[in-house]
Amino acid sequence: TQLLEQSPQFLSIQEGENLTVYCNSSSVFSSLQWYRQEPGEGPVLLVTVVTGGEVKKLKRLTFQFGDARKDSSLHITAAQPGDTGLYLCAANSKEVDMRFGAGTRLTVKP
Amino acid sequence: NAGVTQTPKFRILKIGQSMTLQCAQDMNHNYMYWYRQDPGMGLKLIYYSVGAGITDKGEVPNGYNVSRSTTEDFPLRLELAAPSQTSVYFCASSLSSRAGEQYFGPGTRLTVT
Repeated sequence: TQLLEQSPQFLSIQEGENLTVYCNSSSVFSSLQWYRQEPGEGPVLLVTVVTGGEVKKLKRLTFQFGDARKDSSLHITAAQPGDTGLYLCAANSKEVDMRFGAGTRLTVKP
Repeated sequence: NAGVTQTPKFRILKIGQSMTLQCAQDMNHNYMYWYRQDPGMGLKLIYYSVGAGITDKGEVPNGYNVSRSTTEDFPLRLELAAPSQTSVYFCASSLSSRAGEQYFGPGTRLTVT
């Protein structure tokens, strides 16, 4: 069982559509990060959230940390083919070293 | 800055062979990490280091060893390769803490047959 459950596992959409992916846990975390990984490369950090209820925006990407700091969501507006990739959430706490979810593999078709 | 570099990019090992995966960073980061990524399983932490001379086990340390003699380098050693160690290995570094924003290398794809 993964400490961080990401859903959906796979998502295929058309260019211009909106989407939301989720990262859920029963544990409380000190901070949570979202990464994007492209084939053959290492993950690249998108954002870090640390405060319950925090919302951060990065162009068309909106990240939210749950009020209880147990979950997070990533919303993409008007998806583009360049958004294609594996989206990973990662989190840690005083009790748990950095853990990663299994990821959501997003494909945006032109 | 080159960031985090890893060598080799690909390697095929026979069961029982040993090898060292190299990792170096030029960002003067204190924290360094080794992960393995298996299909559909995300990344799992093998070992990490909070500074030169200090290393700690992560979630899946069995079958691996590390050393941190300098701030820049963090090699990962496989002593007796097993098929279960077939994976993609990523090295990462961060400036300030275990929760810090991590910068990843390009990975080493290892196959043990």
